[in-house]
Amino acid sequence: DVVMTQSPLSLPVTLGQPASISCRSSQSLVYSDGNTYLNWFQQRPGQSPRRLIYEVSKRDSGVPDRFSGSGSGTDFTLKISRVEAEDVAAYYCMQYTHWPLTFGGGTKVEIK
Amino acid sequence: QLQLQESGPGLVKPSETLSLTCSVSGGSISSGNYYWGWIRQPPGKGLDWIGSISYYGTTNFNSSLKSRVTLSVDTSKNQFSLKLSSVTAADTAVYYCASSRLFWGAFDIWGQGTMVTVSS
Repeated sequence: DVVMTQSPLSLPVTLGQPASISCRSSQSLVYSDGNTYLNWFQQRPGQSPRRLIYEVSKRDSGVPDRFSGSGSGTDFTLKISRVEAEDVAAYYCMQYTHWPLTFGGGTKVEIK
Repeated sequence: QLQLQESGPGLVKPSETLSLTCSVSGGSISSGNYYWGWIRQPPGKGLDWIGSISYYGTTNFNSSLKSRVTLSVDTSKNQFSLKLSSVTAADTAVYYCASSRLFWGAFDIWGQGTMVTVSS
């Protein structure tokens, strides 16, 4: 199975400041078609997960442009350019290049 | 816009079978563009994929659960279902159903989740 490792586990951030979450896979997520199938999800307290980013860097409809995804191969990053109060949540990366589908352990973003 | 809603017992006894249904509205479960999945989240922990199914019955499973999981689709009711046999306390979790457009693991739309506790 592909192991997805996120860091940090917890990320205290000052409002208005940037935040960055790392996600590393135990093997390359490049599929045979040349695409890389990696999602980022946001899960606010008490809510279902919501997809923010798919295929590494494509933002879902309605997702604020302060969220961006980047990376390639085995190293990926989710960035929030300026953290707002509503961004307090757990964030998960997930790969769907290989079976079985696997999630990272999650990163909790909190306000300092 | 698709909407998903999980339903089923909130309490299951050890060694019994957990059965959940996900009702799909706002679209047809028979659409060839979608795949249907189940993900669970133990209390205070992260997300764990259980398995996914296409409307024509092709399935893929988490290898650690494969021997205990059955997935099915009921096109007449626009629903898909999960059965997890021989449950233990370790299966206590919030169970989510999710839809994936075009790609098995897209998970672009999620249900609200349902808490299932395994206890005697």
